[in-house]
Amino acid sequence: GGIITQTPKFLIGQEGQKLTLKCQQNFNHDTMYWYRQDSGKGLRLIYYSITENDLQKGDLSEGYDASREKKSSFSLTVTSAQKNEMAVFLCASSTDRGRYAEQFFGPGTRLTVL
Amino acid sequence: AQKVTQTQTSISVMEKTTVTMDCVYETQDSSYFLFWYKQTASGEIVFLIRQDSYKKENATVGHYSLNFQKPKSSIGLIITATQIEDSAVYFCAMREGGYQGGRALIFGTGTTVSVSP
Repeated sequence: GGIITQTPKFLIGQEGQKLTLKCQQNFNHDTMYWYRQDSGKGLRLIYYSITENDLQKGDLSEGYDASREKKSSFSLTVTSAQKNEMAVFLCASSTDRGRYAEQFFGPGTRLTVL
Repeated sequence: AQKVTQTQTSISVMEKTTVTMDCVYETQDSSYFLFWYKQTASGEIVFLIRQDSYKKENATVGHYSLNFQKPKSSIGLIITATQIEDSAVYFCAMREGGYQGGRALIFGTGTTVSVSP
């Protein structure tokens, strides 16, 4: 078994601010993902990474940067927070470069921009 | 382009009955995987069950089963003998590309299931 940890749990930022969200997994999984979930909606892919130092853009990558410096960690940066933005950012990981793609999710970071 | 559609926004059922929820998908790939995930009120997302496109048999795990109708590009989730704790949002998802690595999931918008005693 393993666990995915996301920090912080809650993130409050100001308009225009650069904000960083962190994710750690101890499954020893190859592939990691960042999703955004808006209230009452599904998950939309921002970035994913199939191995250390690899980055693949999802449909929602504009306005975000990502970093995968270690196999166990994957960071997401909101480059310029938008006023009144509210969403939950979910980190996930899967084994075997995502081939079977059964993903395990972290608890999420809830973002509020004032 | 790939797409996953869940048209049922919410379903209410009585405890111990069966609930069925729909999902249709669009893909150009001949090989793909289909998944169902559950998101509880706390926000936790848990993998439930998977169907591989090349398998004709419907997948079953515990009291979850799938109704895979490939010609209709449909993958329904069936929950039998529902319990209060089955109340959650259920997401359908698809991954293209067979066993090739480096592909992500496309999620539907979810169906909220409420189970009443």
